[in-house]
Amino acid sequence: AQSVTQPDIHITVSEGASLELRCNYSYGATPYLFWYVQSPGQGLQLLLKYFSGDTLVQGIKGFEAEFKRSQSSFNLRKPSVHWSDAAEYFCAVGADNDMRFGAGTRLTVKP
Amino acid sequence: KAGVTQTPRYLIKTRGQQVTLSCSPISGHRSVSWYQQTPGQGLQFLFEYFSETQRNKGNFPGRFSGRQFSNSRSEMNVSTLELGDSALYLCASSQGQAPYSGNTIYFGEGSWLTVV
Repeated sequence: AQSVTQPDIHITVSEGASLELRCNYSYGATPYLFWYVQSPGQGLQLLLKYFSGDTLVQGIKGFEAEFKRSQSSFNLRKPSVHWSDAAEYFCAVGADNDMRFGAGTRLTVKP
Repeated sequence: KAGVTQTPRYLIKTRGQQVTLSCSPISGHRSVSWYQQTPGQGLQFLFEYFSETQRNKGNFPGRFSGRQFSNSRSEMNVSTLELGDSALYLCASSQGQAPYSGNTIYFGEGSWLTVV
């Protein structure tokens, strides 16, 4: 079965700074990859997804992610972070009719 | 288009009681999945239903059960509640028969269950 690792439990960035959240997966083939964001007390909102094709995927709220097959990674990026981006971010891998989530990375934004 | 709707949003139950949570998927979505989210265990898959049939089940005890109705609405039930069942229970819906192999799943806001 597939697995997902988000190496960073907590990241703090200053408002306006760039952001990169890491995600590594383990699966024999190319899975379906997702990034979700969860604000406190809320459900998960889809930021972006990769199914096939262009390895650089654009999402909502100015986020993008790049699929790198050689590194089994799907890192999330944003060029300039806003205070409203403070939340928990989950990488997820879908394959074989199953979905696995990473443990999440909590993002704190400093003013 | 309305999103995934879960009710109730918050509830408090006593150990030993049972609870039923409800989920209305996005219109047209036939697959409904349930997840448990806790600080210690993260997001864990409970089960998934498609066209009233349970297709996948996670590694949870039999106290956790669910069902799906002909209108795709789903309920999950937890019997004999334990303190460790306190969690956010998330419902997600998706089109198609293979939600994790090409279709996106959309989450509701969750039901917060506290067991005292």
